[in-house]
Amino acid sequence: NAGVTQTPKFRVLKTGQSMTLLCAQDMNHEYMYWYRQDPGMGLRLIHYSVGEGTTAKGEVPDGYNVSRLKKQNFLLGLESAAPSQTSVYFCASSNVAGTKETQYFGPGTRLLVL
Amino acid sequence: KQEVTQIPAALSVPEGENLVLNCSFTDSAIYNLQWFRQDPGKGLTSLLLIQSSQREQTSGRLNASLDKSSGRSTLYIAASQPGDSATYLCAVRGDSNYQLIWGAGTKLIIKP
Repeated sequence: NAGVTQTPKFRVLKTGQSMTLLCAQDMNHEYMYWYRQDPGMGLRLIHYSVGEGTTAKGEVPDGYNVSRLKKQNFLLGLESAAPSQTSVYFCASSNVAGTKETQYFGPGTRLLVL
Repeated sequence: KQEVTQIPAALSVPEGENLVLNCSFTDSAIYNLQWFRQDPGKGLTSLLLIQSSQREQTSGRLNASLDKSSGRSTLYIAASQPGDSATYLCAVRGDSNYQLIWGAGTKLIIKP
């Protein structure tokens, strides 16, 4: 049972380069999320999706774009990477929000922007 | 704006001790509160979820309490073990937009 997987695990970029982070879940969850985690701070929501074909902005969306073309996949794109985007990125998924809803997380992608 | 604080940022205790981790939040209008565990190089795992109408939840050696009026939650770990070493994060879900707001976590080290 794979759960939530993320690709790649680690990446180094130069300022201005672009890349796409891939998140995949096999639990048939409707909701998917992208977070970033920085030292000394809590996770911050970048973008999220409430279903296939839909996306919405979270707390820190600037500099990122997302797409949810298939229910099981949620892509996070950086069009022109900046050093401030050096972080650990986590993808999560959940079933429809409800009283017992919880999020399941991938192992994270560590991104270093030079 | 909701803010979630976890103090201390790090804690080291001998094996076998009972311990309490703290989480405080500024806005009591929450839908639920969750405690997560994060191991190095791995994702987060949900430990306990407390609804706003509940006072506590228990799972094995873990007990989480919630006091909405004071904006506090505690995670009690009984008879700590080296395998409990991890970072523990709490997150609150607002009752308006349902987004999770996270604390920065407490890094727990259990010494054998």
